[in-house]
Amino acid sequence: NAGVTQTPKFQVLKTGQSMTLQCAQDMNHEYMSWYRQDPGMGLRLIHYSVGAGITDQGEVPNGYNVSRSTTEDFPLRLLSAAPSQTSVYFCASSTGPGAGRRGYTFGSGTRLTVV
Amino acid sequence: KNEVEQSPQNLTAQEGEFITINCSYSVGISALHWLQQHPGGGIVSLFMLSSGKKKHGRLIATINIQEKHSSLHITASHPRDSAVYICAGNSGGSNYKLTFGKGTLLTVNP
Repeated sequence: NAGVTQTPKFQVLKTGQSMTLQCAQDMNHEYMSWYRQDPGMGLRLIHYSVGAGITDQGEVPNGYNVSRSTTEDFPLRLLSAAPSQTSVYFCASSTGPGAGRRGYTFGSGTRLTVV
Repeated sequence: KNEVEQSPQNLTAQEGEFITINCSYSVGISALHWLQQHPGGGIVSLFMLSSGKKKHGRLIATINIQEKHSSLHITASHPRDSAVYICAGNSGGSNYKLTFGKGTLLTVNP
């Protein structure tokens, strides 16, 4: 099925470990983004990309790294995990304004716990 | 800075009731999105609108550009509508970044 695929669904890390959250879409969407969702805070933008080779920071980029070598993939790297990065992470893609009724397609989320 | 505020924060209804969730947004936001998230679940995009009104099944979304206000209505509510509803805005053009409200937790009792 077409959509946004996020892996893994669950992950436990020790403080200081690094890892990569994977995000792939097969809809040829130009725009991809990563958000974190924390209780009482709503969703916040970490990094985004408007096309292959182009990335930019969002609201809460510290401690995270991204790259966009292909249109399909937009991985999020945690460089040295900290307990403050315990959160639920969502990847989303869009063709942008005029994309139709819905606009954005979200992945199913990754629940990350840093101990 | 783009801002989005939702009300109410929590809403409890009886099955069959008409539901309204409100969203106010700041200057600079030109497109408004409504999202649905079931407990422990992923996020589904319901509507994107920049003017007027959109309808899909029992869901209706409206936006008033002058008042910078949008509403999501659910007609004939059902327990399966229980979820968090989130509004989010972006400034359109080549800026696709979303600014999110904190969500409205809707519980529909049978």
